[in-house]
Amino acid sequence: RKEVEQDPGPFNVPEGATVAFNCTYSNSASQSFFWYRQDCRKEPKLLMSVYSSGNEDGRFTAQLNRASQYISLLIRDSKLSDSATYLCVVGSNDYKLSFGAGTTVTVRA
Amino acid sequence: AAGVIQSPRHLIKEKRETATLKCYPIPRHDTVYWYQQGPGQDPQFLISFYEKMQSDKGSIPDRFSAQQFSDYHSELNMSSLELGDSALYFCASSSPSRADTQYFGPGTRLTVL
Repeated sequence: RKEVEQDPGPFNVPEGATVAFNCTYSNSASQSFFWYRQDCRKEPKLLMSVYSSGNEDGRFTAQLNRASQYISLLIRDSKLSDSATYLCVVGSNDYKLSFGAGTTVTVRA
Repeated sequence: AAGVIQSPRHLIKEKRETATLKCYPIPRHDTVYWYQQGPGQDPQFLISFYEKMQSDKGSIPDRFSAQQFSDYHSELNMSSLELGDSALYFCASSSPSRADTQYFGPGTRLTVL
C-alpha cells in the first residue's frame, strides 16, 4: 500500500467550475504536507504548503485533517491553465518526501 | 529568482554504460535530494545530502552513487546502466530556514537503449 493515496481522476471540468479532491496518508508521524503540480514531462512545482488551520492562496484552498490523515485541495473558478496533475506530498521528520500518484485535472473551454 | 539547475537535460546511453547527472541547488540552499520518476509513476526518493554529507537513503540501487561537493552542487553517478533505469531524474534543494520545503529542478531525462 502506498504511503500517500490519491484519487487519480481524471477530473474534467468546464472553465469557471470548482473542483476538489483529497488524498490520504498512512504515516501518522508525518510532519509536513504539500500540494505540487506537475505538467506533462516537467518538474513538480510547489503549489502550496498545507497547514492544520487550512490555508488559501488565491483560487486555491488546502485543508489538512491530522486526525483522519487526509489533505484536500479545492480550486475555484478553474482556468484552462489549471490543467495539470496535482501531487499530494507528505514529508517525514527527516524531510524525505513521499508522493501520491497524482490527480489529473483537465479544464475545458 | 534562481532555480535548481540540472545537466544534462537529456541523456541517451547504451546498456552497461555509465552516466553522471549534475545538480546545482538554489543559491544558499544546503540540502540536495535526488528522485527518480519512471513513466506514469510518481517520483521516488533516491538519496539526499546535507552540508556535503549523505543524510538519507531511499531506493537507490547499489550501482548508483552520489555526492555533494564543497560548492553544494551534487552529482549522481550511475554505472552498469539497465533498460529499467530509463526515467526522469529530478534534483531538489531546500534552504536552512525552510528545510521541509523542496524546490525541484527541471530534471534529466535518461534513456537507456
